[in-house]
Amino acid sequence: DVKVTQSSRYLVKRTGEKVFLECVQDMDHENMFWYRQDPGLGLRLIYFSYDVKMKEKGDIPEGYSVSREKKERFSLILESASTNQTSMYLCASSSGPRTQYFGPGTRLLVL
Amino acid sequence: TQLLEQSPQFLSIQEGENLTVYCNSSSVFSSLQWYRQEPGEGPVLLVTVVTGGEVKKLKRLTFQFGDARKDSSLHITAAQPGDTGLYLCAGRDFGNEKLTFGTGTRLTIIP
Repeated sequence: DVKVTQSSRYLVKRTGEKVFLECVQDMDHENMFWYRQDPGLGLRLIYFSYDVKMKEKGDIPEGYSVSREKKERFSLILESASTNQTSMYLCASSSGPRTQYFGPGTRLLVL
Repeated sequence: TQLLEQSPQFLSIQEGENLTVYCNSSSVFSSLQWYRQEPGEGPVLLVTVVTGGEVKKLKRLTFQFGDARKDSSLHITAAQPGDTGLYLCAGRDFGNEKLTFGTGTRLTIIP
């Protein structure tokens, strides 16, 4: 079974804090993705990675950065959290142009 | 940025009824996927349609890709409470791994 895990299911942070969201997949997938999900907007791509140490901006990268030091791990970083970054964050992985497998999501609240 | 509009945004019907959900775009996609997401979980792939005009059936669910590869529909026959969830369409760009997700349809089947 493909497994994508995310470090936290729920997080509460203060404005201005640095926030790390971790994602790990156990399928040796090359591709990993970070999305945010907001009601009525669907999933929007923040960043993605095709390989270790490689990253590409998605549709809404402002205020975020990523790190991929190992193939199985893809981290999303909020350098200085703001209230408009309150959202559900979803990580996904895939092998080639095939199914994306999603983690359970991290619900982040920034106060 | 390509946009995928889904309609309706919310749908609540009685068990046993039929329904159709629509996914529309002005852009052409190489393929289109449908996902279902249940509360507290990430989206799970239901189907991928690749050829314009293609129809795929998954038990009581019928998926169609428009002839021009810009739109798709999901039809559910004799809806069951287990069909309750958030349905997301996602179009794949040509030549890369990116998916553009639709705005989502939240379906509730009332027993």
